[in-house]
Amino acid sequence: DIVMTQSPDSLAVSLGEKVSVNCKSSRTVVSTSNNKIHLAWYQVKEGQPPKLLLYWASTRAIGVPDRFSGTASGTDFTLTISRLEAEDAALYYCQQYYATATFGQGTKVEIK
Amino acid sequence: QVRLEQSGPQVKEPGASVKLSCQASGYNFLKWPIYWVRRAPGQRPEWLGWIKPETGVTLHSEAHRGRLTLTTDTSRSTAYMELGRLTSDDSATYYCARGAGANFWCDNWGQGTQVSVSS
Repeated sequence: DIVMTQSPDSLAVSLGEKVSVNCKSSRTVVSTSNNKIHLAWYQVKEGQPPKLLLYWASTRAIGVPDRFSGTASGTDFTLTISRLEAEDAALYYCQQYYATATFGQGTKVEIK
Repeated sequence: QVRLEQSGPQVKEPGASVKLSCQASGYNFLKWPIYWVRRAPGQRPEWLGWIKPETGVTLHSEAHRGRLTLTTDTSRSTAYMELGRLTSDDSATYYCARGAGANFWCDNWGQGTQVSVSS
């Protein structure tokens, strides 16, 4: 299985500040057939199901605010929230879908 | 809009089986795979498998092969997940989700079903 490792496990950030959540895969998740990065990001709030934020590492899902963005470099991926809002306090997970599917352990984003 | 309505919470004894349902609405049920993912408290989500309703083709996590069964009733736009030989490690919230394709991301999720395994 491809192991996904996120960092940090948690962070507290002031409203309006930038947030970066990192994710690293144990091997490539880039398809040689379509050159696409098989990585998604989800937001999970207490008592709610996961909400898709990004797929193909950087494509925003329908309805996701543009303050959420994703970047990739090799096996390193970053979810960025450009200006943290109160509603963004949640758990964030990365998921690879290159080889079946595996998730990172999650990063908890709190408001400072 | 897309909606996935899951069945209610279950409490089971070790060694028993559990069968969960997931009724889809708001889209063509046949055209998109249904994924099953579980999340135990404090644990990362775990992908269990997916099923293509149109063909019945499934892909299961190797970790649960042999005790996991995925089926659909296309007349009811409903997917089912049955997990046998339950242990306490199977206590978790189980989600169904619509996949964007086989081995893709999940764009819509059910509300989850809590399964507790305890003697």
